Amino acid sequence: EAQVTQNPRYLITVTGKKLTVTCSQNMNHEYMSWYRQDPGLGLRQIYYSMNVEVTDKGDVPEGYKVSRKEKRNFPLILESPSPNQTSLYFCASSSRVRVGIRGTGELFFGEGSRLTVL
Amino acid sequence: QKEVEQNSGPLSVPEGAIASLNCTYSDRGSQSFFWYRQYSGKSPELIMFIYSNGDKEDGRFTAQLNKASQYVSLLIRDSQPSDSATYLCAVNEGGKLIFGQGTELSVKP
Repeated sequence: EAQVTQNPRYLITVTGKKLTVTCSQNMNHEYMSWYRQDPGLGLRQIYYSMNVEVTDKGDVPEGYKVSRKEKRNFPLILESPSPNQTSLYFCASSSRVRVGIRGTGELFFGEGSRLTVL
Repeated sequence: QKEVEQNSGPLSVPEGAIASLNCTYSDRGSQSFFWYRQYSGKSPELIMFIYSNGDKEDGRFTAQLNKASQYVSLLIRDSQPSDSATYLCAVNEGGKLIFGQGTELSVKP
């Protein structure tokens, strides 16, 4: 089954304790991205990657790190989480064609990871 | 800062009515526009995309694009309670999909 898998789905942690949210896709997609979703603010892009070893900042990259060492994996790292990073996080993947200028824009989302930082 | 703006709602319509959802964007050079639907507690899913000025129809859904006025809209005809969800407008900015804040739609039986 084609899917994007995120772990953990739910996490409560404390300020300053490093954590990693994993994301894996089995569709051989070149493009992967992380979003956070907050009430009234919609989906905001944190980082995206057009291919292995290529990553770019989205609109809200502060406080986050990513890496793309393998095509299928795109982990999101919070080195020193703070309460303002409490949010619902989505990983998404797609093909380069779909996210191109005349692509369908279809992103395949994971189920989301709800993170609470105390 | 490139922006995509939507009324957050909630927008409430009776069953069978037409629901009209609107979105404006700031980058005049944007070329690709998308509508996603997100049910409560679920992930967003793509329902329509549009590139050209005018209307694009898919079943009960019609996307409308007006590049001169920089707005894109989604019409849902014969609205059903199952259409109750948050609708997200998105614009493609060179591989970055910029989303609006979403409009919550409630269809009352």
